[in-house]
Amino acid sequence: GQQLNQSPQSMFIQEGEDVSMNCTSSSIFNTWLWYKQEPGEGPVLLIALYKAGELTSNGRLTAQFGITRKDSFLNISASIPSDVGIYFCAGRKTSYDKVIFGPGTSLSVIP
Amino acid sequence: NAGVMQNPRHLVRRRGQEARLRCSPMKGHSHVYWYRQLPEEGLKFMVYLQKENIIDESGMPKERFSAEFPKEGPSILRIQQVVRGDSAAYFCASSPNLDSKETQYFGPGTRLLVL
Repeated sequence: GQQLNQSPQSMFIQEGEDVSMNCTSSSIFNTWLWYKQEPGEGPVLLIALYKAGELTSNGRLTAQFGITRKDSFLNISASIPSDVGIYFCAGRKTSYDKVIFGPGTSLSVIP
Repeated sequence: NAGVMQNPRHLVRRRGQEARLRCSPMKGHSHVYWYRQLPEEGLKFMVYLQKENIIDESGMPKERFSAEFPKEGPSILRIQQVVRGDSAAYFCASSPNLDSKETQYFGPGTRLLVL
């Protein structure tokens, strides 16, 4: 079946550093989504991308829809302790397909 | 506008008992999705429902698991004769329609522990 790969699997960074993570697929997607999950909570949507090459920001977060339509990237600038959590990418091939989730990137921020 | 509601938030069952998990989608949303998350793992799709219809149940185990989304009331995920391996967090998400620009919004999850 379809699979998404996320890298890195986990990150430990100093407060104030920038963070980059990516998500790749063997299939072409028409929608890419980035979610953040904090301990004990459900995933919260951060950014949604709908067009190849699209670059979208949400505060200190910026995500890009790769031009090959098989990857997406999430950047967090000037990290702060509350950025800690697991970041999941998700993708969908068409409107009628289910959303597939990646395994997540765990982010830890050292004050 | 209330978000997706799930209850109970925590559920403890003994092996062999039944577990019933409830999900009330966001107001105006008619599409519901159930996911399972094991500790330290990502979300695994289980089932996609619209009102009174199961659209995609390709992620549901063949036995003991069932889901419904009646015309009135919440969506229910039912697990019969639970086993220890069913212990996980179960998340429900909802969306308003099939338009690809309408993304899914998640509830807080139900954490099931089977003793």
